[in-house]
Amino acid sequence: RKEVEQDPGPFNVPEGATVAFNCTYSNSASQSFFWYRQDCRKEPKLLMSVYSSGNEDGRFTAQLNRASQYISLLIRDSKLSDSATYLCVVNLNTGGFKTIFGAGTRLFVKA
Amino acid sequence: GAGVSQSPSNKVTEKGKDVELRCDPISGHTALYWYRQSLGQGLEFLIYFQGNSAPDKSGLPSDRFSAERTGGSVSTLTIQRTQQEDSAVYLCASSLVEGEYTQYFGPGTRLTVL
Repeated sequence: RKEVEQDPGPFNVPEGATVAFNCTYSNSASQSFFWYRQDCRKEPKLLMSVYSSGNEDGRFTAQLNRASQYISLLIRDSKLSDSATYLCVVNLNTGGFKTIFGAGTRLFVKA
Repeated sequence: GAGVSQSPSNKVTEKGKDVELRCDPISGHTALYWYRQSLGQGLEFLIYFQGNSAPDKSGLPSDRFSAERTGGSVSTLTIQRTQQEDSAVYLCASSLVEGEYTQYFGPGTRLTVL
């Protein structure tokens, strides 16, 4: 089983739609959580950190459920510019620090 | 300010040759990370450096891979006796310290082994 698993998609949605991505992680020693965005042939960039209480940044909402080892990202009112791959990221420390990236979920927003 | 820079941006080499990839982190960032991303795949964590501490090398795929960081700043990833399966984009990132802080990525080095 992969340490961080995501639905690869692709998700094809119209502009204005709400779309949700899920991510599960297997290691209970996971300490911090993030969503990154990666555009085609570009480097990943931080979208938002994920906190236990849930957090929102404009149209984006992230949730963390430590008991279920589950992270989600909700995008409301999708824009064409949201088309990208969304990467679920987990930092863990099991005697040594490590960052694990999920394989990503591809999103296509169409007009 | 300047972001993370990497050089070269592209490298084509023949199987069996050694290559060196360079990363200049953001000034003041103590943590530096190396990843590789094969076509259509996720990022694979290779190694990270935190300050002057010895790096955790457990993520390196084979003993042909090594990395060093001089003076707590610039890092070099060396691949000896390259193989075709080493072809990938090698990404470097830095953060203020390890852990909760945002990792800022460089544009990557695209390595092609013929």
